[in-house]
Amino acid sequence: NAGVMQNPRHLVRRRGQEARLRCSPMKGHSHVYWYRQLPEEGLKFMVYLQKENIIDESGMPKERFSAEFPKEGPSILRIQQVVRGDSAAYFCASSWGTVNEKLFFGSGTQLSVL
Amino acid sequence: DQQVKQNSPSLSVQEGRISILNCDYTNSMFDYFLWYKKYPAEGPTFLISISSIKDKNEDGRFTVFLNKSAKHLSLHIVPSQPGDSAVYFCAVNLGSSNTGKLIFGQGTTLQVKP
Repeated sequence: NAGVMQNPRHLVRRRGQEARLRCSPMKGHSHVYWYRQLPEEGLKFMVYLQKENIIDESGMPKERFSAEFPKEGPSILRIQQVVRGDSAAYFCASSWGTVNEKLFFGSGTQLSVL
Repeated sequence: DQQVKQNSPSLSVQEGRISILNCDYTNSMFDYFLWYKKYPAEGPTFLISISSIKDKNEDGRFTVFLNKSAKHLSLHIVPSQPGDSAVYFCAVNLGSSNTGKLIFGQGTTLQVKP
């Protein structure tokens, strides 16, 4: 039973390019969350999605960032026109249920913007 | 505004002794608390949790204590083992209305010396 799969593990982009981060939740999980960890900080919530729906995007920057979780395929976090400040570790997590379910995290994607 | 604070960035203990990691929070409405452990280049993994209706929860070598009046929780690991060396994050969940939306502390790096 594979865990939460994220790819790529490392992504290098130049300023102005687009970054696409992928996340396949654990089998049977329909709730996906994206978190970002800046250097020397804790993880910060970005967005919560269920299949084809964004439930809570209160942690997403207003511009350049978007997320989707289509009916088929992985969840995608998309960052357009990346800037150096976007360099961080991006973690995806999934859960089966709702109330107080513990989250299962992927190994993360380390984004480096040159 | 840091709603969850881990004031000790690092902690070093001898193998076999007790490790005590601390966490403070600001909002008395928080009602579910979790600890996650994170190894380098991996995602966080769930360790233990506690609901606000309890003041203690134990799982093997790990015990979490909650002091609601002080808005303080702590994680005790006894006896500590070298394999416990990792970054420990406390997190709070606002409950059913904010499922999976965790607020993390900055983390404490624990080093257990053989």
